[in-house]
Amino acid sequence: QKEVEQDPGPLSVPEGAIVSLNCTYSNSAFQYFMWYRQYSRKGPELLMYTYSSGNKEDGRFTAQVDKSSKYISLFIRDSQPSDSATYLCAMSLPYGNNRLAFGKGNQVVVIP
Amino acid sequence: DAGITQSPRYKITETGRQVTLMCHQTWSHSYMFWYRQDLGHGLRLIYYSAAADITDKGEVPDGYVVSRSKTENFPLTLESATRSQTSVYFCASRGTGMNTEAFFGQGTRLTVV
Repeated sequence: QKEVEQDPGPLSVPEGAIVSLNCTYSNSAFQYFMWYRQYSRKGPELLMYTYSSGNKEDGRFTAQVDKSSKYISLFIRDSQPSDSATYLCAMSLPYGNNRLAFGKGNQVVVIP
Repeated sequence: DAGITQSPRYKITETGRQVTLMCHQTWSHSYMFWYRQDLGHGLRLIYYSAAADITDKGEVPDGYVVSRSKTENFPLTLESATRSQTSVYFCASRGTGMNTEAFFGQGTRLTVV
């Protein structure tokens, strides 16, 4: 079983729709949860960061972490064509080598 | 300019040749990482380094060698390139805190023919 599971299927939505992405993980020791956004032919960039359980909102983006279920989510409200990108979940431990464990990513296309 | 840069951006090489991908960061981050990104596999960790002269294997280290003589540089060498190493390679750096952001380079697109 991989540490982080993210169904890599592409997602096409009309402009203005809500995009919902999620990941599950197996290591209950993960404490830091992140979402990275990657535009085509670019490196990933940090979009949202959450520590432990709870919600975090930043503009149109909301990140949720449910540690009891080992499940994290990202919601994009009022999606825009500029949101078209690949979204990768990532998480890290509170100790050790500071590495990030990534999901496979979801390619999101927002259609005008 | 502050940041993390990779070179070259694109590389085509022949099977069996040695290839070195360069990575340079200007923040003096302790941690540096090499990932490869392939369709269906996402980002997979090849090697990482916690400081100069400290390196360790990641998930897919076979066929790769790294060194880190200076904090700011973390080159990745493919000793004898194979077609299965055709991929996009990303270098990343991160500070020492567990809640710090990892910054990625723009990637090197390597094709082995």
